[in-house]
Amino acid sequence: AAGVIQSPRHLIKEKRETATLKCYPIPRHDTVYWYQQGPGQDPQFLISFYEKMQSDKGSIPDRFSAQQFSDYHSELNMSSLELGDSALYFCASSLGSGRYEQYFGPGTRLTVT
Amino acid sequence: QKEVEQDPGPLSVPEGAIVSLNCTYSNSAFQYFMWYRQYSRKGPELLMYTYSSGNKEDGRFTAQVDKSSKYISLFIRDSQPSDSATYLCAMYSGGGADGLTFGKGTHLIIQP
Repeated sequence: AAGVIQSPRHLIKEKRETATLKCYPIPRHDTVYWYQQGPGQDPQFLISFYEKMQSDKGSIPDRFSAQQFSDYHSELNMSSLELGDSALYFCASSLGSGRYEQYFGPGTRLTVT
Repeated sequence: QKEVEQDPGPLSVPEGAIVSLNCTYSNSAFQYFMWYRQYSRKGPELLMYTYSSGNKEDGRFTAQVDKSSKYISLFIRDSQPSDSATYLCAMYSGGGADGLTFGKGTHLIIQP
């Protein structure tokens, strides 16, 4: 079965640079969620989109923004990167908004040097 | 204090043993309870979900929820080396909030 696709899988950036992470949900899923997982930490919810509109907002820094496009893929844009932004960034998708059945992608490992 | 508490382990048991993984929580608004399995450098994989209190069984896995005690468990029967992974509990309140609240995960090791 098709799963959530994330790209790139690994990304190395320097402080103060920008990064863009992409997420392609499971086919027919219309809701996308972004999570950040620091080293040895649990995933923290950042933001979600349903039908191209922001659905809910968690602990997303103001330096980050995200959007969902007409084909339901989503992009997380991160600016003025800080060392503390180094983490695994997961995208999850579901059919319908506000769903507990969220299916996660393999993640993008971001390293800020 | 975190909303969801989970012992990080590691928990090491011999192959074939019954494994018990647990989480406690403080937010009484949580209605849905999930268990995810995460292998090293992979994304969390949804194993099971339960609504409100009760038991749910799926093959070798059984999930239990006791809302009165704010305590959830995952039991794995006939454990296999391939079950070695980090198991994260996750909770969801609904009502317009989309994000799942996770425990830190328990690192499980099944010894052959």
